[in-house]
Amino acid sequence: SQQGEEDPQALSIQEGENATMNCSYKTSINNLQWYRQNSGRGLVHLILIRSNEREKHSGRLRVTLDTSKKSSSLLITASRAADTASYFCATGATNKLIFGTGTLLAVQP
Amino acid sequence: DAMVIQNPRYQVTQFGKPVTLSCSQTLNHNVMYWYQQKSSQAPKLLFHYYDKDFNNEADTPDNFQSRRPNTSFCFLDIRSPGLGDAAMYLCATSRATGTGYEQYFGPGTRLTVT
Repeated sequence: SQQGEEDPQALSIQEGENATMNCSYKTSINNLQWYRQNSGRGLVHLILIRSNEREKHSGRLRVTLDTSKKSSSLLITASRAADTASYFCATGATNKLIFGTGTLLAVQP
Repeated sequence: DAMVIQNPRYQVTQFGKPVTLSCSQTLNHNVMYWYQQKSSQAPKLLFHYYDKDFNNEADTPDNFQSRRPNTSFCFLDIRSPGLGDAAMYLCATSRATGTGYEQYFGPGTRLTVT
């Protein structure tokens, strides 16, 4: 069964704008991860946030986690054309990750 | 650079003809995963190895098998590919199982079934 669902399914913005993607999940989690996937390629790990953390930053990425609402958001600031990709959240409470449905981000130059 | 390598990047096979996809890693990770990803969908875990221990997902068809002869290599065997098995197959590794460990992915093998 699918653990996470991303919203929106697709997002198109202009270069320099911020992009926000949301992930909702169903059951309690220990950790939540975000991955990026460029078209036709493998996934690349972006950031991991633990259930006792509320916010985490990495470069232009900001991730928040609200365990009471079972949701997380990924913010990419000052987007670039190279940020064009699919973004997946991944959660799970046991020994494996379950990936969400993904958000397809298109950054127009 | 330590990495996860998948060969071939593109594989074409005929309906019902067995095919093997390969994955190797230089990360010396204990865990190796195989995922199936169809167009515009999330990666779906097929199975994983923790060292030599094989863990199959309950909904993985019997048509899919895997071998891990050593730490570095892992193979995905599709015994009788059907048209519905056309997908991207992703190999990934991690130091251990659990959601607290990031996974490192290979570039994937795109399988076409004719």
